[in-house]
Amino acid sequence: DAGVIQSPRHEVTEMGQEVTLRCKPISGHDYLFWYRQTMMRGLELLIYFNNNVPIDDSGMPEDRFSAKMPNASFSTLKIQPSEPRDSAVYFCASSFGDNTQYFGPGTRLTVL
Amino acid sequence: KQEVTQIPAALSVPEGENLVLNCSFTDSAIYNLQWFRQDPGKGLTSLLLIQSSQREQTSGRLNASLDKSSGRSTLYIAASQPGDSATYLCAVGRSNYQLIWGAGTKLIIKP
Repeated sequence: DAGVIQSPRHEVTEMGQEVTLRCKPISGHDYLFWYRQTMMRGLELLIYFNNNVPIDDSGMPEDRFSAKMPNASFSTLKIQPSEPRDSAVYFCASSFGDNTQYFGPGTRLTVL
Repeated sequence: KQEVTQIPAALSVPEGENLVLNCSFTDSAIYNLQWFRQDPGKGLTSLLLIQSSQREQTSGRLNASLDKSSGRSTLYIAASQPGDSATYLCAVGRSNYQLIWGAGTKLIIKP
């Protein structure tokens, strides 16, 4: 298996633009997680899905952030409009049940 | 509110030494505790997962212990190698899916 796949790996955009991050979980995994990592706040769970259904989005910082999982093999995290303070590395992870979470390589987002 | 602390923030040791990384947490009511490794520019790799009912887990040169009563976990690395250089993160499971993360210990193994 190729592991968790994220795209793009790097994204540079200007403040106010819409940003869409993509994730393909490991086949067969029923949980998908979106995390954000910054120097100041470390790793934070933004939202997680079970069988494509959002279970807990309490970590989503603002209404500017939204996440979808239209099917078992694809999820998106959208920021609209983006702000400089959204600059971070965004990780997607997947797991089967409550077992180990497998992380993707991350998307480094820079908002100018 | 669960807080997870890792000390030291950085550690540099000569190759071949045994070392211990520390993780402390404030609420002993945990579901599990995991140790991850993060290499620069890459994602996180799970090293060891200790369930709440367990005291330790071992994988190769790695051994992780858990003492819920004192709110502590340690990651022991035996016979360290330059390839062990990475940032090691401790994550406490508040539930079976929600992890509270430490800030990590950046480990450098000098050849």
